[in-house]
Amino acid sequence: GESVGLHLPTLSVQEGDNSIINCAYSNSASDYFIWYKQESGKGPQFIIDIRSNMDKRQGQRVTVLLNKTVKHLSLQIAATQPGDSAVYFCAETVDNSGYSTLTFGKGTMLLVSP
Amino acid sequence: GAVVSQHPSRVICKSGTSVKIECRSLDFQATTMFWYRQFPKQSLMLMATSNEGSKATYEQGVEKDKFLINHASLTLSTLTVTSAHPEDSSFYICSARLGSYNSPLHFGNGTRLTVT
Repeated sequence: GESVGLHLPTLSVQEGDNSIINCAYSNSASDYFIWYKQESGKGPQFIIDIRSNMDKRQGQRVTVLLNKTVKHLSLQIAATQPGDSAVYFCAETVDNSGYSTLTFGKGTMLLVSP
Repeated sequence: GAVVSQHPSRVICKSGTSVKIECRSLDFQATTMFWYRQFPKQSLMLMATSNEGSKATYEQGVEKDKFLINHASLTLSTLTVTSAHPEDSSFYICSARLGSYNSPLHFGNGTRLTVT
């Protein structure tokens, strides 16, 4: 059930600013990472992914950085827009005995003010 | 467009009744689908992996007799919450991969279950 008092970390930015959302992952064996965006009442939407043999990948207005040394992942959103307001989750793939499962991080809420 | 369709989007049921949620892959075959549960302001927690033609694999702490999963075809997996209780009220989301292990999961739009 829900933990009393639990809340998501929140990042508040102004429209047009660049946003950086951070994520620490736990398993050094993870080799594939994904960022998802989740709007209220909807399922997660794929944004960008990166494999462990890369440290940077760029998409349209988004960049993902991977630092395997410290097990850290970040999502950079350029020129943030009000429509970017949502909860962002990082997810890692862990290969468990021949089948892979996707494990989600805790999430960060991004609030963009016009 | 959406590649995974989930139905219903919302359901309200009384305690003790059972609810079935459907997850369909659109225009592709999914031998494996994943069911997640999400409580308010929390992350997605994997409940089980649904395998076409065989038994589902449940995560630790998830009761397989309470959350029945059937994956009878390559495009449909169902999750049935049996004898629902108010603590089962949650957001249930299914997902599937279009490609191989190292490809992203695509998610349905979730089912908001409220048990009264």
